[in-house]
Amino acid sequence: GAVVSQHPSWVICKSGTSVKIECRSLDFQATTMFWYRQFPKQSLMLMATSNEGSKATYEQGVEKDKFLINHASLTLSTLTVTSAHPEDSSFYICSASGDRDEQYFGPGTRLTVT
Amino acid sequence: SQKIEQNSEALNIQEGKTATLTCNYTNYSPAYLQWYRQDPGRGPVFLLLIRENEKEKRKERLKVTFDTTLKQSLFHITASQPADSATYLCAGGGGTDKLIFGTGTRLQVFP
Repeated sequence: GAVVSQHPSWVICKSGTSVKIECRSLDFQATTMFWYRQFPKQSLMLMATSNEGSKATYEQGVEKDKFLINHASLTLSTLTVTSAHPEDSSFYICSASGDRDEQYFGPGTRLTVT
Repeated sequence: SQKIEQNSEALNIQEGKTATLTCNYTNYSPAYLQWYRQDPGRGPVFLLLIRENEKEKRKERLKVTFDTTLKQSLFHITASQPADSATYLCAGGGGTDKLIFGTGTRLQVFP
């Protein structure tokens, strides 16, 4: 149990376009989902926290208009990188938490902006 | 600021030995500590969670401790195998609270 999926697993897009990443909890209801990014050989950096049906809470320094987060249901959250630029290239990972204390992570999405 | 520190960036041990990884926390008191395994290019995989009122928890070859006096958690892998080679992350927090991650310890188990 406690499986979190992400789609796509990797994506290449051109500079200026937008990319949507989906995060789904497959076998539990996720009241809270978290979005992270990770650069090579670094730890995870939390971008935002989203609760189902409410606006996301962004960490300091994360542009909310650039990284749009929607948590429309208890099993799905989406992250849209708008007007992507090469510096947005990174590994994006979501995690989900339900009625238990553990947080479970998705497999990650590798974004490359050319 | 709240901080989780994993002082060993890398740890090399021989197959069959016990690997011990250290996690220290400063400037706060997490109600939980969670340990994850991360392989290159993959998201973290949950291993164990220990609560502040628990001293020790085990799962198969894994054991984790929580010492609120020392503000420290130790993560042990007994009878280590080359397949255990990965980066191990310690994180403070849980439930609907955000996690604060350490920078990880890269474990290499050699035959």
